[in-house]
Parts: sequence; structure tokens; C-alpha cells
Amino acid sequence: GDSVTQMEGPVTLSEEAFLTINCTYTATGYPSLFWYVQYPGEGLQLLLKATKADDKGSNKGFEATYRKETTSFHLEKGSVQVSDSAVYFCALIVAGGTSYGKLTFGQGTILTVHP
Amino acid sequence: DAGVTQSPTHLIKTRGQQVTLRCSPKSGHDTVSWYQQALGQGPQFIFQYYEEEERQRGNFPDRFSGHQFPNYSSELNVNALLLGDSALYLCASNRLAGGSNEQFFGPGTRLTVL
Repeated sequence: GDSVTQMEGPVTLSEEAFLTINCTYTATGYPSLFWYVQYPGEGLQLLLKATKADDKGSNKGFEATYRKETTSFHLEKGSVQVSDSAVYFCALIVAGGTSYGKLTFGQGTILTVHP
Repeated sequence: DAGVTQSPTHLIKTRGQQVTLRCSPKSGHDTVSWYQQALGQGPQFIFQYYEEEERQRGNFPDRFSGHQFPNYSSELNVNALLLGDSALYLCASNRLAGGSNEQFFGPGTRLTVL
């Protein structure tokens, strides 16, 4: 089946530090890849996405590149802010055939940024 | 443009009871999916509705059932509640007819089973 593995957390950084959250996946078909963010007490917000190999998704200074050869989709940001503190989820979706597209999520990575 | 809305926000039930959660999809969306997010975990797919039918189901028992209405809104029903059903229940919508699998999430319903 499909699965997503995220780096063990939590991650604690100082403001303006560089962020990397690792994500690798296995999929039965050709997936689209996503990063979602969840702020305390809220639902999930789509942060960025990539739908084919070598695509780079980007939003709010965050970036992730779809690497088919390493089945990875690592999240990066050059300079984090306190307001980036949240839980980050890597996810995939495989649509087609009998699948109408269910999201499969990683376990989440808690990011805390200190001033 | 209203996003995905869910009701109620919070709910407290006791073991053995039944609960109904509601979801209204984002305007223009025709597909609704439900996810269960236990504390400290990633969301787990429960099922997906399109054209008022359950199109895909995750690994959840038959105690979990749902419905989609002609206006695309949806309900999630859970019977014979267990303590382990305590979780955040998330609804997501997308426009399958437009070929989009990008799902937009609501704020969730926090269910506590005592």
C-alpha cells in the first residue's frame, strides 16, 4: 500500500535558522505530493504541492522538490520565523483506476521556532 | 467564498452512544472525504463520497458510516462509540469533476468519548 515517512521530531530552531523536514514515500502508482500545515487548534492548510517528478512546489518561503529517483519530497525554508511554529504533514495521493484519491499522511513533524 | 465548514466544533459523548458530524464543502466542490486524526498522529482516511455514493473506504469498521446529500454536503455517523474514537474528525472537499485532487480541509470536529 501507500505510505509516507517523515523525519522523527520534534524540531526546535532559532528564528532565521534553516529548516529541513525530510519526507519519503512509497506508492502503488504515480502520486501527487503535498505538504500541509496545522496550527494549534486548527484544521489542515495546504502549504505546497507537486504533481510530477522534478516539480518544485513553493509557498511563503517554503520549497519542496518531487524526487522520483529517491522517492522523496523534503520541505525546506531558508529562514524560519516564530510564526512558522506548527505541525507539518507530508502527504500523497494516487488517483486513477479504482482510486478516487485518498490522501495518505505521514505522522507529522512538530516545529517550534524560538525568538 | 466560504471554505469547508464543519459542525459542531466540539462534542462530548459517552461509550455506546451514537454521533453525527456534519460538513459543507467549499463552493463548487463535489467530493467530500472524511479523516480521523488521533492526538499526535497524522490524519487517517475514513471514506470518500462523490455523487452521493461512497466511492472509497479506508480501514475503518462498519460502525463508521456516512452520507452525501444532493447539495454535496455530508454527514459522518459513528455508532456504538468507543473510547478510542476520541479524535479530531476532519472533512475535506475537492472538485473531482474538474479533475482536481487537491483537497481543502475544514477546521474539524473534536470528539471526546468518556
